[in-house]
Amino acid sequence: DTGVSQDPRHKITKRGQNVTFRCDPISEHNRLYWYRQTLGQGPEFLTYFQNEAQLEKSRLLSDRFSAERPKGSFSTLEIQRTEQGDSAMYLCASSLFPVGGTSGRNEQFFGPGTRLTVL
Amino acid sequence: GESVGLHLPTLSVQEGDNSIINCAYSNSASDYFIWYKQESGKGPQFIIDIRSNMDKRQGQRVTVLLNKTVKHLSLQIAATQPGDSAVYFCAENRGSGYALNFGKGTSLLVTP
Repeated sequence: DTGVSQDPRHKITKRGQNVTFRCDPISEHNRLYWYRQTLGQGPEFLTYFQNEAQLEKSRLLSDRFSAERPKGSFSTLEIQRTEQGDSAMYLCASSLFPVGGTSGRNEQFFGPGTRLTVL
Repeated sequence: GESVGLHLPTLSVQEGDNSIINCAYSNSASDYFIWYKQESGKGPQFIIDIRSNMDKRQGQRVTVLLNKTVKHLSLQIAATQPGDSAVYFCAENRGSGYALNFGKGTSLLVTP
């Protein structure tokens, strides 16, 4: 499978515990995005990387959340001291951003997501 | 703040009929729009996109129409099939490479 992959697919944790999710983007894609999706809602942007640089964070990304993409390939999203309100689907997406210009397109390919349940 | 939203939360159609899913956006600066399909337990799947310099784009059985005057976007699915049953999201952004801003979604149910 050459698409975006995420691990684990499901995570159940107790309030106060730390969790870490991994995303492997499509191999030639230089941009990687994290979104959060709650039931019945569309995905909400959390943060994104171009290669290893984290270029933007949303206000949803509290100081308990941190994301890394150390080698510009896979990325991890860590949530510290989880709260029940963190229960959601965490989606990763990747895209190929043209170097030196723009095509005007932003086709993002999503992974299957990690469903987090905080008890 | 700026938002992307959908007119109808649910849509039920018979197999073989055409489906139209609508979306309104409020940000005049939006210049790129995408429709995604999301099946239960899966991530969103790209269907079709359109840039703001176009008003229509066609794919396989799908057409996206963009009306910038009234800030309205629609997805037309021809000859709807049971496999089209899913939640459909429109999304927009204001430039290549930026985060997408998603609407709430419309649930499409195709009945035999």
